[in-house]
Amino acid sequence: DTGVSQNPRHKITKRGQNVTFRCDPISEHNRLYWYRQTLGQGPEFLTYFQNEAQLEKSRLLSDRFSAERPKGSFSTLEIQRTEQGDSAMYLCASSLGDLRGEKLFFGSGTQLSVL
Amino acid sequence: AQSVTQLGSHVSVSEGALVLLRCNYSSSVPPYLFWYVQYPNQGLQLLLKYTTGATLVKGINGFEAEFKKSETSFHLTKPSAHMSDAAEYFCAVSSDTGRRALTFGSGTRLQVQP
Repeated sequence: DTGVSQNPRHKITKRGQNVTFRCDPISEHNRLYWYRQTLGQGPEFLTYFQNEAQLEKSRLLSDRFSAERPKGSFSTLEIQRTEQGDSAMYLCASSLGDLRGEKLFFGSGTQLSVL
Repeated sequence: AQSVTQLGSHVSVSEGALVLLRCNYSSSVPPYLFWYVQYPNQGLQLLLKYTTGATLVKGINGFEAEFKKSETSFHLTKPSAHMSDAAEYFCAVSSDTGRRALTFGSGTRLQVQP
Protein backbone atom coordinates (compact mmCIF):
# COMPACT_ATOMS: atom_id res chain seq x y z
CA ASP A 1 0.00 0.00 0.00
CA THR A 2 1.92 2.98 -1.30
CA GLY A 3 -0.89 5.47 -0.79
CA VAL A 4 -2.55 7.84 -3.25
CA SER A 5 0.00 9.64 -5.40
CA GLN A 6 -0.59 12.97 -7.13
CA ASN A 7 1.63 14.68 -9.66
CA PRO A 8 2.82 17.33 -9.93
CA ARG A 9 2.88 18.67 -6.37
CA HIS A 10 2.91 22.24 -7.62
CA LYS A 11 1.94 23.79 -10.95
CA ILE A 12 2.32 27.43 -11.92
CA THR A 13 0.73 28.48 -15.17
CA LYS A 14 -0.36 31.57 -17.00
CA ARG A 15 -4.00 32.42 -17.49
CA GLY A 16 -5.36 30.81 -20.63
CA GLN A 17 -3.02 27.83 -20.58
CA ASN A 18 -4.15 24.22 -20.24
CA VAL A 19 -2.97 22.08 -17.33
CA THR A 20 -3.29 18.38 -16.54
CA PHE A 21 -2.94 16.66 -13.19
CA ARG A 22 -2.49 12.97 -12.54
CA CYS A 23 -3.70 10.81 -9.69
CA ASP A 24 -2.60 7.24 -9.00
CA PRO A 25 -4.98 5.66 -6.48
CA ILE A 26 -4.23 2.78 -4.18
CA SER A 27 -4.23 -0.33 -6.30
CA GLU A 28 -7.47 -2.35 -6.13
CA HIS A 29 -9.43 0.75 -5.11
CA ASN A 30 -12.36 0.97 -7.48
CA ARG A 31 -13.55 4.45 -6.54
CA LEU A 32 -11.66 7.64 -7.26
CA TYR A 33 -12.68 11.16 -6.30
CA TRP A 34 -11.49 14.63 -7.23
CA TYR A 35 -11.93 17.52 -4.82
CA ARG A 36 -10.85 21.15 -4.90
CA GLN A 37 -9.71 23.03 -1.81
CA THR A 38 -9.17 26.77 -1.56
CA LEU A 39 -7.52 28.62 1.31
CA GLY A 40 -9.64 28.56 4.44
CA GLN A 41 -12.20 26.18 2.99
CA GLY A 42 -12.86 22.49 3.16
CA PRO A 43 -12.56 20.22 0.14
CA GLU A 44 -15.31 20.70 -2.44
CA PHE A 45 -16.44 17.72 -4.48
CA LEU A 46 -15.75 17.84 -8.22
CA THR A 47 -16.33 14.39 -9.63
CA TYR A 48 -15.96 10.68 -8.96
CA PHE A 49 -15.38 7.43 -10.82
CA GLN A 50 -16.29 3.87 -10.11
CA ASN A 51 -13.76 1.90 -12.10
CA GLU A 52 -13.63 3.71 -15.46
CA ALA A 53 -17.16 5.13 -15.30
CA GLN A 54 -17.58 8.77 -14.28
CA LEU A 55 -20.72 8.58 -12.15
CA GLU A 56 -21.18 12.08 -10.85
CA LYS A 57 -20.02 15.60 -11.64
CA SER A 58 -20.48 18.67 -9.48
CA ARG A 59 -21.81 21.89 -10.95
CA LEU A 60 -18.39 23.28 -9.98
CA LEU A 61 -16.99 21.24 -12.87
CA SER A 62 -17.45 23.68 -15.73
CA ASP A 63 -17.02 22.67 -19.35
CA ARG A 64 -13.37 23.75 -19.10
CA PHE A 65 -12.74 20.81 -16.76
CA SER A 66 -12.53 17.22 -17.88
CA ALA A 67 -11.57 14.11 -15.98
CA GLU A 68 -10.78 10.63 -17.20
CA ARG A 69 -9.93 7.31 -15.69
CA PRO A 70 -8.94 5.00 -18.52
CA LYS A 71 -9.07 1.31 -17.65
CA GLY A 72 -10.09 2.16 -14.13
CA SER A 73 -6.57 2.80 -12.94
CA PHE A 74 -4.98 6.26 -12.76
CA SER A 75 -6.98 9.40 -13.42
CA THR A 76 -6.26 12.74 -15.03
CA LEU A 77 -7.92 16.08 -14.47
CA GLU A 78 -7.48 18.64 -17.21
CA ILE A 79 -8.34 22.31 -16.99
CA GLN A 80 -8.50 24.18 -20.29
CA ARG A 81 -8.08 27.94 -20.64
CA THR A 82 -7.19 28.37 -16.99
CA GLU A 83 -8.51 31.37 -15.06
CA GLN A 84 -7.17 32.94 -11.89
CA GLY A 85 -10.18 31.57 -10.05
CA ASP A 86 -8.94 28.06 -10.78
CA SER A 87 -6.04 28.59 -8.36
CA ALA A 88 -6.54 25.99 -5.63
CA MET A 89 -5.31 22.69 -4.23
CA TYR A 90 -6.70 19.79 -6.24
CA LEU A 91 -7.11 16.67 -4.14
CA CYS A 92 -7.56 13.10 -5.24
CA ALA A 93 -8.95 10.34 -3.04
CA SER A 94 -9.67 6.68 -3.52
CA SER A 95 -11.70 4.05 -1.73
CA LEU A 96 -12.48 0.37 -1.92
CA GLY A 97 -16.01 -0.86 -2.25
CA ASP A 98 -19.30 0.83 -2.97
CA LEU A 99 -20.82 1.14 0.44
CA ARG A 100 -21.81 4.50 1.80
CA GLY A 101 -19.42 5.48 4.55
CA GLU A 102 -16.30 3.86 3.18
CA LYS A 103 -12.99 5.42 4.22
CA LEU A 104 -11.39 7.78 1.74
CA PHE A 105 -7.62 7.79 1.28
CA PHE A 106 -6.38 11.18 0.12
CA GLY A 107 -3.28 12.18 -1.76
CA SER A 108 -1.24 15.24 -0.80
CA GLY A 109 -2.74 17.26 -3.63
CA THR A 110 -1.58 19.38 -6.55
CA GLN A 111 -1.32 23.10 -5.81
CA LEU A 112 -2.27 25.13 -8.88
CA SER A 113 -1.37 28.78 -9.19
CA VAL A 114 -2.72 30.68 -12.19
CA LEU A 115 -0.91 33.96 -12.83
CA ALA B 1 -29.32 18.83 0.43
CA GLN B 2 -26.61 18.24 2.99
CA SER B 3 -24.30 20.73 4.66
CA VAL B 4 -21.82 21.03 7.51
CA THR B 5 -21.02 23.98 9.72
CA GLN B 6 -17.87 24.06 11.83
CA LEU B 7 -17.97 26.74 14.51
CA GLY B 8 -14.60 28.41 15.00
CA SER B 9 -12.05 28.47 12.21
CA HIS B 10 -9.23 28.57 14.80
CA VAL B 11 -9.09 26.94 18.22
CA SER B 12 -6.13 27.28 20.58
CA VAL B 13 -5.63 25.09 23.65
CA SER B 14 -2.81 24.44 26.07
CA GLU B 15 -1.03 21.12 26.05
CA GLY B 16 -2.94 18.77 28.36
CA ALA B 17 -6.21 20.70 28.07
CA LEU B 18 -9.50 19.43 26.68
CA VAL B 19 -9.97 19.69 22.93
CA LEU B 20 -13.49 20.45 21.68
CA LEU B 21 -14.12 21.07 18.00
CA ARG B 22 -17.70 21.77 17.02
CA CYS B 23 -19.61 20.44 14.03
CA ASN B 24 -23.27 20.81 13.12
CA TYR B 25 -24.84 19.22 10.10
CA SER B 26 -27.94 19.51 7.99
CA SER B 27 -29.43 16.47 6.33
CA SER B 28 -32.83 15.35 5.11
CA VAL B 29 -32.03 11.70 5.77
CA PRO B 30 -30.05 9.93 8.50
CA PRO B 31 -26.47 11.08 8.02
CA TYR B 32 -23.15 9.34 8.06
CA LEU B 33 -20.65 11.67 9.75
CA PHE B 34 -16.89 11.84 9.60
CA TRP B 35 -13.94 13.71 11.03
CA TYR B 36 -10.80 13.99 8.92
CA VAL B 37 -7.47 15.54 9.96
CA GLN B 38 -4.97 17.28 7.71
CA TYR B 39 -1.39 17.70 8.87
CA PRO B 40 0.84 20.15 6.97
CA ASN B 41 1.92 18.83 3.57
CA GLN B 42 -0.02 15.60 4.06
CA GLY B 43 -3.28 14.24 2.73
CA LEU B 44 -6.44 14.14 4.80
CA GLN B 45 -6.70 11.15 7.12
CA LEU B 46 -9.84 9.65 8.62
CA LEU B 47 -10.02 10.14 12.40
CA LEU B 48 -13.38 8.51 13.01
CA LYS B 49 -16.83 8.02 11.56
CA TYR B 50 -20.41 7.45 12.62
CA THR B 51 -22.67 5.36 10.43
CA THR B 52 -25.26 3.56 12.57
CA GLY B 53 -25.40 2.08 16.05
CA ALA B 54 -23.53 3.49 19.03
CA THR B 55 -23.65 7.26 19.00
CA LEU B 56 -20.29 7.68 20.77
CA VAL B 57 -17.52 6.73 18.39
CA LYS B 58 -13.85 6.44 19.16
CA GLY B 59 -11.13 7.15 16.69
CA ILE B 60 -7.39 7.23 16.38
CA ASN B 61 -5.04 9.23 18.60
CA GLY B 62 -7.50 9.37 21.52
CA PHE B 63 -10.20 11.37 19.73
CA GLU B 64 -13.89 10.64 20.04
CA ALA B 65 -17.14 12.17 18.82
CA GLU B 66 -20.77 11.87 19.78
CA PHE B 67 -23.67 11.92 17.34
CA LYS B 68 -26.58 13.90 18.78
CA LYS B 69 -29.56 13.78 16.47
CA SER B 70 -31.65 16.21 18.51
CA GLU B 71 -28.89 18.82 18.28
CA THR B 72 -27.78 17.86 14.74
CA SER B 73 -24.23 17.84 16.09
CA PHE B 74 -21.12 15.69 15.89
CA HIS B 75 -18.55 17.44 18.06
CA LEU B 76 -14.99 16.10 18.28
CA THR B 77 -13.27 15.84 21.65
CA LYS B 78 -10.01 14.70 23.19
CA PRO B 79 -9.43 14.79 26.97
CA SER B 80 -5.81 15.93 26.83
CA ALA B 81 -4.19 17.75 23.92
CA HIS B 82 -0.71 16.88 22.68
CA MET B 83 1.54 19.12 20.63
CA SER B 84 1.27 16.59 17.82
CA ASP B 85 -2.49 17.26 17.58
CA ALA B 86 -1.86 20.62 15.93
CA ALA B 87 -3.49 20.32 12.51
CA GLU B 88 -6.61 21.22 10.56
CA TYR B 89 -9.73 19.21 11.28
CA PHE B 90 -12.63 18.75 8.89
CA CYS B 91 -16.11 17.47 9.65
CA ALA B 92 -17.94 15.84 6.75
CA VAL B 93 -21.37 14.38 6.05
CA SER B 94 -22.72 11.80 3.65
CA SER B 95 -26.46 11.77 3.59
CA ASP B 96 -27.89 11.85 0.09
CA THR B 97 -28.56 8.20 -0.52
CA GLY B 98 -27.81 8.32 -4.21
CA ARG B 99 -24.65 10.38 -3.82
CA ARG B 100 -21.41 8.90 -2.65
CA ALA B 101 -19.31 12.02 -2.25
CA LEU B 102 -18.77 13.66 1.11
CA THR B 103 -19.65 17.28 1.89
CA PHE B 104 -16.98 18.88 4.06
CA GLY B 105 -17.10 21.76 6.47
CA SER B 106 -14.71 24.68 6.18
CA GLY B 107 -12.32 23.28 8.76
CA THR B 108 -10.98 24.21 12.19
CA ARG B 109 -7.28 24.82 12.72
CA LEU B 110 -6.17 23.53 16.12
CA GLN B 111 -3.18 25.16 17.81
CA VAL B 112 -1.65 23.54 20.87
CA GLN B 113 0.36 25.83 23.11
CA PRO B 114 3.16 24.43 25.29
